Amino acid sequence: NAGVIQTPRHKVTGKGQEATLWCEPISGHSAVFWYRQTIVQGLEFLTYFRNQAPIDDSGMPKERFSAQMPNQSHSTLKIQSTQPQDSAVYLCASSLDRISNERLFFGHGTKLSVL
Amino acid sequence: QEKVQQSPESLIVPEGAMVSLNCSFSDSASQSIWWYQQHPGKGPKALISIFSNGNKKEGRLTVYLNRASLHVSLHIKDSQPSDSAVYLCAVNSNYQLIWGSGTKLIIKP
Repeated sequence: NAGVIQTPRHKVTGKGQEATLWCEPISGHSAVFWYRQTIVQGLEFLTYFRNQAPIDDSGMPKERFSAQMPNQSHSTLKIQSTQPQDSAVYLCASSLDRISNERLFFGHGTKLSVL
Repeated sequence: QEKVQQSPESLIVPEGAMVSLNCSFSDSASQSIWWYQQHPGKGPKALISIFSNGNKKEGRLTVYLNRASLHVSLHIKDSQPSDSAVYLCAVNSNYQLIWGSGTKLIIKP
């Protein structure tokens, strides 16, 4: 099992450009999470899918961020019109089931740098 | 809203020492509490969790939970240089994980 796979590992965008981040969860896991990590804010929850359905997007900045899970093998996080403050490590995690306090398995993250 | 605070912010200890990391939380009705380890350039990795008051031991790790004092601690016995990492406390509150800001641990050979 390769674990949670995130691509790309690093992405550099210019201010105002779009960035799409990809995540492949562990096969058989029904819950997929997106987090953002910075030195200042630490780990921030963005959004969560269960069985591909969006369940909670309370952490998502509403205007420029969107996430999808078109099938059980991948999820995407899209950031439109990127801004320097979007620079962070974006982490994807999966678990067997959100409801039962299952441990999260994280990918290595995508480091986004907005110039 | 649950709040999670970790101390100390950073810790340097010699190899072989016992390490103690602390985490305080605000909601006594929180569910399980997890400790994660994060090495540079990697995602967090779950180490150990606890739900009930008391302690739980797994290998060199022991976690203690006291819900009355809203405190949980992680103890690492016989620390190794490979234990050098950031340790994150995560409290499961209303089925959402609330994260502390972490303790950076350095084990000196």
